[in-house]
Amino acid sequence: GESVGLHLPTLSVQEGDNSIINCAYSNSASDYFIWYKQESGKGPQFIIDIRSNMDKRQGQRVTVLLNKTVKHLSLQIAATQPGDSAVYFCAENPAQAGTALIFGKGTTLSVSS
Amino acid sequence: KAGVTQTPRYLIKTRGQQVTLSCSPISGHRSVSWYQQTPGQGLQFLFEYFSETQRNKGNFPGRFSGRQFSNSRSEMNVSTLELGDSALYLCASSKDTTGANVLTFGAGSRLTVL
Repeated sequence: GESVGLHLPTLSVQEGDNSIINCAYSNSASDYFIWYKQESGKGPQFIIDIRSNMDKRQGQRVTVLLNKTVKHLSLQIAATQPGDSAVYFCAENPAQAGTALIFGKGTTLSVSS
Repeated sequence: KAGVTQTPRYLIKTRGQQVTLSCSPISGHRSVSWYQQTPGQGLQFLFEYFSETQRNKGNFPGRFSGRQFSNSRSEMNVSTLELGDSALYLCASSKDTTGANVLTFGAGSRLTVL
């Protein structure tokens, strides 16, 4: 599958491949992290979240990994489908910030069949 | 259940005018947050309201303001519009104002300033 070590604005994969989208977060005090998917003309849609006391969490076809040592977050999508094509954002929630989120720059995932 | 509803979806204004955007949260959600999304700056936090009180504010000028009503509906206002205010304005709601709450976003209001 495709993977990137550093954040890249775009990622192109073939249908059926595994995709890995990376994100570096900025605030050491962040204790909650979320991945959102945004399709054209829509608002961001929740995919999966993880708290800072965990390093891995799995959902349906998606896995989020958290490395607090290097402040790195990744989203793995298994068996990527054309419907997964969208912009993916990571977001961090600093402690004591209420629900305010700091969003990453976003990665556009393009899936070709 | 109904999601987060934002109105209007699209609007065009000219420099110097003011604009008011509306957001109806998911039923039972008491916290409403606003974000600005532009190609250059990405998604940036504007402010958060809970129980009609502003709880957090992002780094935006005072021309950006908001309020929340007793039914949790929220409005944001931008006065003296500038070209750089052209953006997608997103509203998100959550059950309360504590961290680790999933935010559910609306489809946004796309503002174009001419």
